[in-house]
Amino acid sequence: DGGITQSPKYLFRKEGQNVTLSCEQNLNHDAMYWYRQDPGQGLRLIYYSQIVNDFQKGDIAEGYSVSREKKESFPLTVTSAQKNPTAFYLCASNTRSSQPQHFGDGTRLSIL
Amino acid sequence: GQQLNQSPQSMFIQEGEDVSMNCTSSSIFNTWLWYKQDPGEGPVLLIALYKAGELTSNGRLTAQFGITRKDSFLNISASIPSDVGIYFCAGQPRSGGSNYKLTFGKGTLLTVNP
Repeated sequence: DGGITQSPKYLFRKEGQNVTLSCEQNLNHDAMYWYRQDPGQGLRLIYYSQIVNDFQKGDIAEGYSVSREKKESFPLTVTSAQKNPTAFYLCASNTRSSQPQHFGDGTRLSIL
Repeated sequence: GQQLNQSPQSMFIQEGEDVSMNCTSSSIFNTWLWYKQDPGEGPVLLIALYKAGELTSNGRLTAQFGITRKDSFLNISASIPSDVGIYFCAGQPRSGGSNYKLTFGKGTLLTVNP
């Protein structure tokens, strides 16, 4: 079935450690996005990519990095520079014709 | 930056009641979207609106794109227990440089008492 797969479902980070969240889609979508969700908050955009090998910072990019080497994949790295990484991370994608974004089931990141 | 005010923040209703929630923006949007999120899962698209004044239904859900392009409404009729969740509105701006960026409301938490 077509969809967006995020892994792992739960992730724990130690102090000073970088961790990478995976996002894969088989919908042939051009654009992909990473959002952060905190309790009682809306979704805040971290990074987005409209085409392969190109990406732009969103509203809260500090402490995060991404790559877009393949159309299907848009991994997010939470670096040690991100001092408050505990959150629910959501990946989304859509076509370049501005169709609605569709979401994966998220990764919950916690600090050990 | 753009801001969306979504209200109410939470609702506690009895099964069978109708529900209304809305979002207002400080700027114009070209598209309004409504999503529902269950605990521990990603948001699922309910309704997409593309024209000012548009009224669209999806089963018991009805949403409207405000005439001013600065607001949208979602109504749920005859609520059932599985309607429980967080409902988010999202707006997409008209400006070409950020065509793909959405601004999200903070959500409405709906609880339905059987």
